[in-house]
Amino acid sequence: DQQVKQNSPSLSVQEGRISILNCDYTNSMFDYFLWYKKYPAEGPTFLISISSIKDKNEDGRFTVFLNKSAKHLSLHIVPSQPGDSAVYFCAASERGTGNQFYFGTGTSLTVIP
Amino acid sequence: DTEVTQTPKHLVMGMTNKKSLKCEQHMGHRAMYWYKQKAKKPPELMFVYSYEKLSINESVPSRFSPECPNSSLLNLHLHALQPEDSALYLCASSQAIRGQETQYFGPGTRLLVL
Repeated sequence: DQQVKQNSPSLSVQEGRISILNCDYTNSMFDYFLWYKKYPAEGPTFLISISSIKDKNEDGRFTVFLNKSAKHLSLHIVPSQPGDSAVYFCAASERGTGNQFYFGTGTSLTVIP
Repeated sequence: DTEVTQTPKHLVMGMTNKKSLKCEQHMGHRAMYWYKQKAKKPPELMFVYSYEKLSINESVPSRFSPECPNSSLLNLHLHALQPEDSALYLCASSQAIRGQETQYFGPGTRLLVL
């Protein structure tokens, strides 16, 4: 049973525009969320996190929004750059479960120059 | 410094071979993880070590044997693997397993079992 879902397998965006990647989850006990970026044949690189006590966290061009009532989070990249082309995974964890993270299936972002 | 290193980068082994994957971190993290990732799939958790003790084993077959010799090192010993075990094996670490701890991943070992 997939507790974290990324329903868009792929997304294409023009360079300089905003990229919005979405993630939905089913477990209301999740209280910490991460976004990772992954290039082929490499390990995931941590991008940004958000705790359930917040609804927004910003780091440079990356902003994560959390809507707990909708069990939805999104990653905004502004402005998008060709180097952002990669697969993006969201991950969620529940306190008291040994820091286990549940990963979404990923969204492949292509930024077109 | 958020670096986790893994060796080797690539490994080809036969079904009767014994090999080991190595992971190292020098961030003072006390939790380390092994994941398996197949193409176009999310990482799947295999093992979690906390303070050098096995904390979680996600029902992984015994042909995979983890070992944590000290707080900086994590090994995965492989024996009698099957072709379906071919995948990217990722190591990660975090400060602890209290919760709300970011996991930092290594670059992975690409394993091919013939």
